[in-house]
Amino acid sequence: QKEVEQNSGPLSVPEGAIASLNCTYSDRGSQSFFWYRQYSGKSPELIMFIYSNGDKEDGRFTAQLNKASQYVSLLIRDSQPSDSATYLCAPAGNMLTFGGGTRLMVKP
Amino acid sequence: DGGITQSPKYLFRKEGQNVTLSCEQNLNHDAMYWYRQDPGQGLRLIYYSQIVNDFQKGDIAEGYSVSREKKESFPLTVTSAQKNPTAFYLCASSSPGTTEAFFGQGTRLTVV
Repeated sequence: QKEVEQNSGPLSVPEGAIASLNCTYSDRGSQSFFWYRQYSGKSPELIMFIYSNGDKEDGRFTAQLNKASQYVSLLIRDSQPSDSATYLCAPAGNMLTFGGGTRLMVKP
Repeated sequence: DGGITQSPKYLFRKEGQNVTLSCEQNLNHDAMYWYRQDPGQGLRLIYYSQIVNDFQKGDIAEGYSVSREKKESFPLTVTSAQKNPTAFYLCASSSPGTTEAFFGQGTRLTVV
């Protein structure tokens, strides 16, 4: 089993809708997580860091962490075509290993 | 401005040659990482280093080598033993306690 699992997608949502991206992890010791956005051909950019159970909001982005169920999710409200990218999650730790990423497509 | 810089952006290598990719950061981060990304795929960890003069193999270290002589620098050498080196290479660094981690802009390596 991979340490971090993500549905590869593509996840297609209409403009203005809420996009929900999920990530499950196997190491119960993981305490905090990163979410990155990667546009095609570019390097990943950090969009969220979450370290406690519950929700963390930053603009249109909300990260949710549930340590008991071992998943972390990213919600994007009012999705825009510019949000179309691959979203990667990673537990913050010594090795910083990534899930395969979920490709999001926001259709105008 | 603080940041992490990879060079060159594009690199061409002949088969059988070693090539070194540069990664420099001025964020005062302790940890640094190297990843390989193939088209349409995720990031695979090659090597990582938590402190100067120490580094660990990641999932796909064969055919690669690194050094960490300075906190700011973590060069990656792609050796001739790497049979399929054409890929996008990404370097990252993270803060103590790993509360932030940033990437360089990447190096696209092509074997010709």
